[in-house]
Amino acid sequence: AQKITQTQPGMFVQEKEAVTLDCTYDTSDQSYGLFWYKQPSSGEMIFLIYQGSYDEQNATEGRYSLNFQKARKSANLVISASQLGDSAMYFCAMRDLANTGGFKTIFGAGTRLFVKA
Amino acid sequence: DTGVSQDPRHKITKRGQNVTFRCDPISEHNRLYWYRQTLGQGPEFLTYFQNEAQLEKSRLLSDRFSAERPKGSFSTLEIQRTEQGDSAMYLCASSPGQSYSPLHFGNGTRLTVT
Repeated sequence: AQKITQTQPGMFVQEKEAVTLDCTYDTSDQSYGLFWYKQPSSGEMIFLIYQGSYDEQNATEGRYSLNFQKARKSANLVISASQLGDSAMYFCAMRDLANTGGFKTIFGAGTRLFVKA
Repeated sequence: DTGVSQDPRHKITKRGQNVTFRCDPISEHNRLYWYRQTLGQGPEFLTYFQNEAQLEKSRLLSDRFSAERPKGSFSTLEIQRTEQGDSAMYLCASSPGQSYSPLHFGNGTRLTVT
């Protein structure tokens, strides 16, 4: 069965500094996708970044990058130059791409990030 | 792209009553998902449709829960004989057909069972 683990319930970072949010996953599938979502206090889920299991390069989207280490089954999110508006819950998620899992996306428990001024 | 729309935003009901939620996905998306989220937790998968076919249903979804997607457009999630443990945010998401496409979420329906 697939599983996502986020071991940091809460993280603090100083404004303008970089922060890494940890994510480890467990799957027996060879082809899978990893996603990160942001959920501000307003509640909407916002897609941030995607990494495919066969992608050799780490994904980047603006200030977000995904540190993908396949052998260690980790997919950490790095936010550079933190801003006050980055304060939110962050969820790591995974989907089987070969349809054996029915294309459902499973989520971790999340990490709450607090950015200090 | 008008986004995923959910109705109502909030629902308060008494234990034992039935409730129904509606989700209108992004029009060109053929996949539709329902998730449940409790405070401080990640979204928990409930069920998934591809067009009008319900392809997967979580084992966590008791027989009091039923979902439909007639004609492959909007979807409804019904909870019968609500219990206090059903209190949660119910999120709907849609995505296009590519397996690598991210989910687009609605703002959710918050259910409170008293």
